[in-house]
Amino acid sequence: EAGVTQSPTHLIKTRGQQATLRCSPISGHTSVYWYQQALGLGLQFLLWYDEGEERNRGNFPPRFSGRQFPNYSSELNVNALELEDSALYLCASSAGHPQDEQFFGPGTRLTVL
Amino acid sequence: AQTVTQSQPEMSVQEAETVTLSCTYDTSESDYYLFWYKQPPSRQMILVIRQEAYKQQNATENRFSVNFQKAAKSFSLKISDSQLGDAAMYFCAYRSKSQGNLIFGKGTKLSVKP
Repeated sequence: EAGVTQSPTHLIKTRGQQATLRCSPISGHTSVYWYQQALGLGLQFLLWYDEGEERNRGNFPPRFSGRQFPNYSSELNVNALELEDSALYLCASSAGHPQDEQFFGPGTRLTVL
Repeated sequence: AQTVTQSQPEMSVQEAETVTLSCTYDTSESDYYLFWYKQPPSRQMILVIRQEAYKQQNATENRFSVNFQKAAKSFSLKISDSQLGDAAMYFCAYRSKSQGNLIFGKGTKLSVKP
């Protein structure tokens, strides 16, 4: 069974540009979570999608947005990139219940120059 | 708001010895889930062990066990018979029953000496 996949592996952008990160969950999983892992800040929750709807949002500005497609894959968009957006962005998926394990992808390393 | 605190940024253990990683959390909820995740260098995050707050019995998974003290809001991870492959960042995480997302501590970097 394939795990959570993310693309691209690495992404280099300049300040002010837009970045799009993609995530494919494990087959059968309906929930997708996005986390930001910035150096020194640990993992911070960004967004949670379930059944195509945004269920919860972390303490991030509106330029961080996303969506979930009918096949449950997800996209994270970051507009007007800032230097401090440089981080590893992790996607996780689960079957949708709070007790279900979240399985993590390998992440996308975003570098903003 | 819930918070998770890991007070040990780095820990070191000798191979085959036992090490305990600390985690405290703050919440007003009575029922929730607690997790320990492992993130090896340049590798994916994987779940080590999970504890449900309403269960008094401490969770155990092979060499990994937890000491869950609900009143003290403490959730430590004990690794017995440490192996070189245990070297990684370890994250403690909290999950509300009503919210799907995890709230992480800042992590503890564990080194294992041969």
